[in-house]
Order: sequence, then C-alpha cells, then structure tokens
Amino acid sequence: EVQLLESGGGLVQPGGSLRLSCAASGFIFSNYGMSWVRQAPGKGLEWVSTIPGSGGWTSYADSVKGRFTMSRDNSKNTVYLQMNSLRVEDTAVYYCAKDSSGWSRDYWGQGTLVTVSS
Amino acid sequence: QSALTQPPSASGSPGQSVTISCTGTSSDVGGYNSVSWYQQHPGKAPKLMIYEVSKWPSGVPDRFSGSKSGNTASLTVSGLQAEDEADYYCSSYAGSNNLVFGGGTKLTVL
Repeated sequence: EVQLLESGGGLVQPGGSLRLSCAASGFIFSNYGMSWVRQAPGKGLEWVSTIPGSGGWTSYADSVKGRFTMSRDNSKNTVYLQMNSLRVEDTAVYYCAKDSSGWSRDYWGQGTLVTVSS
Repeated sequence: QSALTQPPSASGSPGQSVTISCTGTSSDVGGYNSVSWYQQHPGKAPKLMIYEVSKWPSGVPDRFSGSKSGNTASLTVSGLQAEDEADYYCSSYAGSNNLVFGGGTKLTVL
C-alpha cells in the first residue's frame, strides 16, 4: 500500500524558513518523480515543485522560484521542501504527491499546514 | 503559468450526467495529452480520477470519463450519485517540466 506522510508544517513569521518532509512507502521510491502541491485556505490547488526519481533536476512554479528548494534522499525514501523568505501568501496546506503517467499524481499525502503570520 | 479556466460550479440531479470544462491554451491543454482530473472532498486529499485525457486509474468507476477538443478538456460524470458531490480540478502539463491546475469546480448533486 502506497503511503505518503508529510511533516514539518507549522507557524512561521514572514521572512522565515521552514523545511517540509514527505516519507514514502509501498513503492520503489527511486523509480518515481515526486511533487509538492499546495492549497491556500478556501482556494484551489497550486503546483509548487517536481523532482524526478533520479533527482537530476527540479522545476518550480514562478511564485516560489528562488525561494523554495525541493530535494530527495532515495536512501531514506523521503522528499523535502526547503522554504525560505516565506510570505503571508505561502500560507497553505502542502501536499506531497507521487508522480505517474502523463504528469498525473496518483497518490497524495494528507497534507501539512504551513501558516505564515506575524 | 496561468491557471486553467474551469466553471466555479456545476450541478445535476441523481442519475443525470454533468460535464465540467477545463480551458487552457495551445501551450498546455491543447499541446499535450497530459490532462488529469482530481476529485477532492472537503478536508480530504485530492484523488486522481482521470489521467492522459481519458484513462482511468484502477478503482475509478467508468461513470467518470474524460475527453479533449482543441484547448478544452472535459470531465463527464454520468449517473450522478450523492457521493460525487465534491470539488473537481483539472491539470495539464505546460511544457518545460511545469504543471498547471484549473481553479476548480464545485459539483453539487441536487
């Protein structure tokens, strides 16, 4: 059974930093890309970042480029999202998702809430 | 990276069919067969319902179907059931390893 478990969310002041983690199990982790997708309170889904199974590249939404860094440790079956220079508008539930065919995401974690507020 | 356009709401009675549209451009929806649809119930994580425009993941009933014409993709839910009431989001590959989502459609079963 595929499981994705996010952690690391919480309350942070504007300009601060936070590191999210997503521990995966139930599949051959290094064979699959992973993504972060966020959802602001009462709003829709927004793609944040993607990293392939090899970790050879990363891609980011314009809204987080230069501030967020996605990485993975295939020995620990874990992906990370380092978030710096956080803004109030980064407040959201952050979901970790497993990539699948045609740029779909076939499994999602339950999400971790990040609140940026003074 | 502009969001895809979805109607904010849609509705239908039990047993009826409803179609939700997702409009993009030739740089995303129209340029790739990489449209997906997700269902999200309140307080829950999204669930993949359709991928690659019209394919079903395992376990998704064939009451849900997808299609695409030009820059617009569509999700049709046939034989509406009460449990289909949820938010639905489309997404599309947008080139250069980027993904874009639609703004979401709230489906109400009357």
